[in-house]
Amino acid sequence: AQSVTQLGSHVSVSEGALVLLRCNYSSSVPPYLFWYVQYPNQGLQLLLKYTSAATLVKGINGFEAEFKKSETSFHLTKPSAHMSDAAEYFCAVSDDANAGGTSYGKLTFGQGTILTVHP
Amino acid sequence: EAGVAQSPRYKIIEKRQSVAFWCNPISGHATLYWYQQILGQGPKLLIQFQNNGVVDDSQLPKDRFSAERLKGVDSTLKIQPAKLEDSAVYLCASSSRKVQFFGPGTRLTVL
Repeated sequence: AQSVTQLGSHVSVSEGALVLLRCNYSSSVPPYLFWYVQYPNQGLQLLLKYTSAATLVKGINGFEAEFKKSETSFHLTKPSAHMSDAAEYFCAVSDDANAGGTSYGKLTFGQGTILTVHP
Repeated sequence: EAGVAQSPRYKIIEKRQSVAFWCNPISGHATLYWYQQILGQGPKLLIQFQNNGVVDDSQLPKDRFSAERLKGVDSTLKIQPAKLEDSAVYLCASSSRKVQFFGPGTRLTVL
Protein backbone atom coordinates (compact mmCIF):
# COMPACT_ATOMS: atom_id res chain seq x y z
CA ALA A 1 0.00 0.00 0.00
CA GLN A 2 1.13 3.52 -0.71
CA SER A 3 0.67 6.61 1.38
CA VAL A 4 1.68 10.25 1.48
CA THR A 5 2.12 12.53 4.46
CA GLN A 6 2.31 16.27 4.05
CA LEU A 7 3.71 17.95 7.13
CA GLY A 8 1.83 21.13 7.92
CA SER A 9 -1.68 21.74 6.68
CA HIS A 10 -0.99 25.49 6.51
CA VAL A 11 2.24 27.29 5.63
CA SER A 12 2.57 31.06 5.68
CA VAL A 13 5.47 32.99 4.14
CA SER A 14 6.26 36.56 3.21
CA GLU A 15 6.54 37.59 -0.39
CA GLY A 16 10.13 36.99 -1.53
CA ALA A 17 10.82 34.38 1.15
CA LEU A 18 11.72 30.73 0.62
CA VAL A 19 8.83 28.33 0.18
CA LEU A 20 9.27 24.82 1.61
CA LEU A 21 6.40 22.33 1.55
CA ARG A 22 7.16 18.93 3.02
CA CYS A 23 6.12 15.55 1.67
CA ASN A 24 7.03 12.07 2.85
CA TYR A 25 5.86 8.93 1.09
CA SER A 26 5.58 5.23 1.65
CA SER A 27 5.70 2.80 -1.24
CA SER A 28 6.50 -0.87 -1.68
CA VAL A 29 7.72 -0.30 -5.22
CA PRO A 30 9.92 2.41 -6.74
CA PRO A 31 7.58 5.37 -6.63
CA TYR A 32 6.54 7.97 -9.10
CA LEU A 33 5.96 11.24 -7.27
CA PHE A 34 4.04 14.35 -8.19
CA TRP A 35 3.21 17.80 -6.90
CA TYR A 36 -0.08 19.39 -7.96
CA VAL A 37 -1.42 22.87 -7.22
CA GLN A 38 -5.09 23.72 -6.81
CA TYR A 39 -6.40 27.27 -6.98
CA PRO A 40 -9.86 28.03 -5.55
CA ASN A 41 -12.71 26.47 -7.54
CA GLN A 42 -10.32 24.93 -10.03
CA GLY A 43 -9.00 21.47 -10.78
CA LEU A 44 -5.50 20.26 -10.03
CA GLN A 45 -2.60 21.47 -12.15
CA LEU A 46 0.64 19.51 -12.38
CA LEU A 47 3.67 21.39 -11.02
CA LEU A 48 6.30 18.70 -11.47
CA LYS A 49 6.90 14.96 -11.48
CA TYR A 50 9.60 12.47 -10.53
CA THR A 51 9.73 9.33 -12.65
CA SER A 52 13.05 7.73 -11.66
CA ALA A 53 15.25 10.00 -13.73
CA ALA A 54 17.07 12.97 -12.17
CA THR A 55 16.49 13.29 -8.44
CA LEU A 56 16.21 17.09 -8.61
CA VAL A 57 13.13 17.94 -10.61
CA LYS A 58 12.28 21.37 -11.91
CA GLY A 59 8.71 22.37 -12.54
CA ILE A 60 6.63 25.29 -13.63
CA ASN A 61 6.50 28.70 -11.92
CA GLY A 62 9.99 28.34 -10.42
CA PHE A 63 9.19 25.34 -8.23
CA GLU A 64 11.49 22.36 -7.79
CA ALA A 65 11.57 19.21 -5.69
CA GLU A 66 14.26 16.75 -4.70
CA PHE A 67 13.68 13.02 -4.42
CA LYS A 68 15.57 11.58 -1.43
CA LYS A 69 15.16 7.83 -1.24
CA SER A 70 16.98 7.48 2.10
CA GLU A 71 14.56 9.94 3.70
CA THR A 72 11.51 8.86 1.65
CA SER A 73 10.91 12.53 1.00
CA PHE A 74 9.94 14.72 -1.94
CA HIS A 75 9.85 18.26 -0.58
CA LEU A 76 8.74 21.16 -2.77
CA THR A 77 10.70 24.42 -2.76
CA LYS A 78 10.73 27.80 -4.41
CA PRO A 79 13.48 30.35 -3.66
CA SER A 80 11.24 33.42 -3.65
CA ALA A 81 7.50 33.37 -3.02
CA HIS A 82 5.11 35.44 -5.09
CA MET A 83 1.60 36.47 -4.18
CA SER A 84 0.28 34.37 -7.05
CA ASP A 85 1.70 31.22 -5.40
CA ALA A 86 -1.05 31.30 -2.77
CA ALA A 87 -2.99 28.08 -3.30
CA GLU A 88 -3.32 24.53 -2.00
CA TYR A 89 -0.57 22.08 -2.86
CA PHE A 90 -0.89 18.31 -3.03
CA CYS A 91 1.84 15.70 -3.08
CA ALA A 92 0.92 12.38 -4.67
CA VAL A 93 2.48 8.97 -5.20
CA SER A 94 1.65 6.53 -7.97
CA ASP A 95 2.38 2.93 -8.80
CA ASP A 96 2.76 2.20 -12.47
CA ALA A 97 0.00 -0.33 -12.95
CA ASN A 98 0.93 -0.64 -16.57
CA ALA A 99 4.69 -0.95 -16.49
CA GLY A 100 6.17 0.21 -19.70
CA GLY A 101 2.87 1.56 -20.92
CA THR A 102 1.54 5.03 -21.25
CA SER A 103 -0.58 5.21 -18.15
CA TYR A 104 0.23 5.40 -14.49
CA GLY A 105 -1.66 3.62 -11.81
CA LYS A 106 -3.86 5.46 -9.42
CA LEU A 107 -2.61 8.49 -7.54
CA THR A 108 -2.63 8.49 -3.75
CA PHE A 109 -2.72 12.06 -2.48
CA GLY A 110 -1.61 13.70 0.72
CA GLN A 111 -3.98 15.88 2.73
CA GLY A 112 -2.76 19.06 1.10
CA THR A 113 -0.93 22.16 2.32
CA ILE A 114 -2.47 25.59 2.02
CA LEU A 115 0.18 28.18 1.20
CA THR A 116 -0.48 31.77 2.22
CA VAL A 117 1.80 34.54 0.97
CA HIS A 118 1.87 37.83 2.85
CA PRO A 119 2.91 41.12 1.25
CA GLU B 1 -5.26 21.22 -26.81
CA ALA B 2 -8.60 21.25 -25.02
CA GLY B 3 -8.54 20.14 -21.39
CA VAL B 4 -10.76 17.75 -19.46
CA ALA B 5 -14.34 19.01 -19.47
CA GLN B 6 -16.82 18.41 -16.68
CA SER B 7 -20.43 19.38 -16.12
CA PRO B 8 -22.22 20.62 -14.23
CA ARG B 9 -19.80 22.74 -12.21
CA TYR B 10 -22.13 22.98 -9.23
CA LYS B 11 -25.07 20.88 -8.05
CA ILE B 12 -27.27 21.12 -4.98
CA ILE B 13 -29.66 18.28 -4.17
CA GLU B 14 -31.65 16.91 -1.25
CA LYS B 15 -30.54 13.68 0.40
CA ARG B 16 -31.98 10.54 -1.18
CA GLN B 17 -32.16 12.23 -4.57
CA SER B 18 -30.06 11.07 -7.50
CA VAL B 19 -27.43 13.02 -9.42
CA ALA B 20 -25.17 12.45 -12.42
CA PHE B 21 -21.89 14.02 -13.46
CA TRP B 22 -20.40 14.05 -16.93
CA CYS B 23 -16.77 14.04 -18.03
CA ASN B 24 -15.18 14.44 -21.46
CA PRO B 25 -11.47 13.55 -21.32
CA ILE B 26 -8.70 14.93 -23.46
CA SER B 27 -8.89 13.48 -26.94
CA GLY B 28 -6.90 10.29 -27.31
CA HIS B 29 -6.50 9.60 -23.59
CA ALA B 30 -7.30 5.96 -22.94
CA THR B 31 -7.31 6.15 -19.15
CA LEU B 32 -9.98 8.03 -17.23
CA TYR B 33 -10.31 8.50 -13.47
CA TRP B 34 -12.99 9.76 -11.11
CA TYR B 35 -11.85 11.17 -7.77
CA GLN B 36 -13.82 12.37 -4.75
CA GLN B 37 -12.36 15.35 -2.85
CA ILE B 38 -13.98 16.05 0.50
CA LEU B 39 -13.34 19.49 1.96
CA GLY B 40 -9.96 19.61 3.68
CA GLN B 41 -8.74 16.33 2.21
CA GLY B 42 -6.80 15.19 -0.80
CA PRO B 43 -8.61 13.59 -3.73
CA LYS B 44 -9.47 9.90 -3.38
CA LEU B 45 -9.80 7.62 -6.38
CA LEU B 46 -13.27 6.21 -6.91
CA ILE B 47 -12.86 4.42 -10.22
CA GLN B 48 -10.36 4.05 -13.05
CA PHE B 49 -11.20 3.11 -16.64
CA GLN B 50 -8.85 1.88 -19.35
CA ASN B 51 -10.80 2.45 -22.57
CA ASN B 52 -14.22 0.89 -21.82
CA GLY B 53 -13.07 -1.40 -19.05
CA VAL B 54 -12.84 -0.84 -15.30
CA VAL B 55 -9.28 -1.18 -13.95
CA ASP B 56 -9.91 -0.29 -10.31
CA ASP B 57 -13.19 0.38 -8.50
CA SER B 58 -12.14 -0.88 -5.10
CA GLN B 59 -13.08 2.37 -3.35
CA LEU B 60 -16.36 2.99 -5.16
CA PRO B 61 -19.41 2.61 -2.85
CA LYS B 62 -21.19 0.31 -5.23
CA ASP B 63 -24.46 0.30 -3.33
CA ARG B 64 -25.05 3.89 -4.38
CA PHE B 65 -22.38 4.93 -6.89
CA SER B 66 -22.11 3.77 -10.47
CA ALA B 67 -19.99 4.85 -13.41
CA GLU B 68 -19.76 4.02 -17.05
CA ARG B 69 -17.60 4.94 -19.99
CA LEU B 70 -19.33 4.20 -23.23
CA LYS B 71 -17.24 3.89 -26.39
CA GLY B 72 -14.10 4.61 -24.39
CA VAL B 73 -14.57 8.37 -24.46
CA ASP B 74 -17.08 10.24 -22.28
CA SER B 75 -17.92 9.03 -18.81
CA THR B 76 -20.75 9.54 -16.34
CA LEU B 77 -20.71 9.07 -12.59
CA LYS B 78 -24.04 8.60 -10.82
CA ILE B 79 -25.06 8.67 -7.20
CA GLN B 80 -28.41 7.17 -6.20
CA PRO B 81 -29.54 7.82 -3.53
CA ALA B 82 -27.29 10.60 -2.28
CA LYS B 83 -26.29 10.94 1.37
CA LEU B 84 -25.11 14.00 3.27
CA GLU B 85 -21.57 12.61 3.36
CA ASP B 86 -21.44 12.61 -0.45
CA SER B 87 -20.99 16.40 -0.37
CA ALA B 88 -17.64 16.88 -2.08
CA VAL B 89 -15.94 17.93 -5.29
CA TYR B 90 -15.91 15.21 -7.93
CA LEU B 91 -12.86 15.43 -10.14
CA CYS B 92 -12.37 13.71 -13.46
CA ALA B 93 -8.89 13.14 -14.87
CA SER B 94 -7.42 11.55 -17.95
CA SER B 95 -3.86 10.49 -18.56
CA SER B 96 -1.25 10.36 -21.24
CA ARG B 97 2.51 9.84 -21.08
CA LYS B 98 2.35 9.09 -17.38
CA VAL B 99 0.68 12.35 -16.36
CA GLN B 100 -2.89 12.84 -15.16
CA PHE B 101 -4.73 15.96 -16.29
CA PHE B 102 -7.65 17.11 -14.17
CA GLY B 103 -10.89 18.82 -15.02
CA PRO B 104 -12.33 21.72 -12.99
CA GLY B 105 -14.52 19.41 -10.92
CA THR B 106 -18.20 19.33 -9.95
CA ARG B 107 -19.01 20.64 -6.49
CA LEU B 108 -21.91 18.63 -5.02
CA THR B 109 -23.82 19.82 -1.98
CA VAL B 110 -26.29 17.40 -0.42
CA LEU B 111 -28.82 19.03 1.93
